[in-house]
Amino acid sequence: SSELTQDPAVSVALGQTVRITCQGDSLRRYYASWYQQKPGQAPVLVVFGKNNRPSGIPDRFSGSSSGNTASLTITGAQAEDEADYYCNSRDISGNFYVFGTGTKVTV
Amino acid sequence: QVQLQESGPGLVKPSGTLSLTCAVSGGSISSSNWWTWVRQPPGKGLEWIGEIYHSGSTNYNPSLKSRVTISVDKSKNQFSLKLSSVTAADTAVYYCARIATEFDYWGQGTLVTVSS
Repeated sequence: SSELTQDPAVSVALGQTVRITCQGDSLRRYYASWYQQKPGQAPVLVVFGKNNRPSGIPDRFSGSSSGNTASLTITGAQAEDEADYYCNSRDISGNFYVFGTGTKVTV
Repeated sequence: QVQLQESGPGLVKPSGTLSLTCAVSGGSISSSNWWTWVRQPPGKGLEWIGEIYHSGSTNYNPSLKSRVTISVDKSKNQFSLKLSSVTAADTAVYYCARIATEFDYWGQGTLVTVSS
């Protein structure tokens, strides 16, 4: 299967922790990368690889993976973290990419 | 700092061909990266369209493969997207991005509307 499935929406209280999950067969072979998208803006890479953050991304964002599920955790969510989040990886054949269905995070 | 900028017509007629260009600055398109197009219909999620390497090698989304062509112009440090036989379902914001296993740099996106 080439699908990556995410919960449509989650909510978190200010300063609390939220975990967003992404499920798909390809995640047994490939790491997911995670993107934050605010309204009217381009996606921004927040986590990639085993658990890496680009320069400038706060360390409250972290990633993990187990089996066919990848997770993005926001520890101590801030108001500015309210956004849509998408996971992404190669499909299981490695020939193309697929995005997750997206999760809207409300803080 | 790598920057990408999409350009092209914002309105395309049904059955026509959508053509966009992504200009790359702050880095070489001949670097060890792939370059990609992603689109997002209004109010919907992200959809990967395809990718190209500076050698001209390409990979496309199977659902769009019959209508998509991505090409590279190393002399202008840019790459391009053509999508043929468009319908209203192809109305979307189109983004270009750089791939370094992850999609690390993105353009701001450009809205293309398919309408007569």
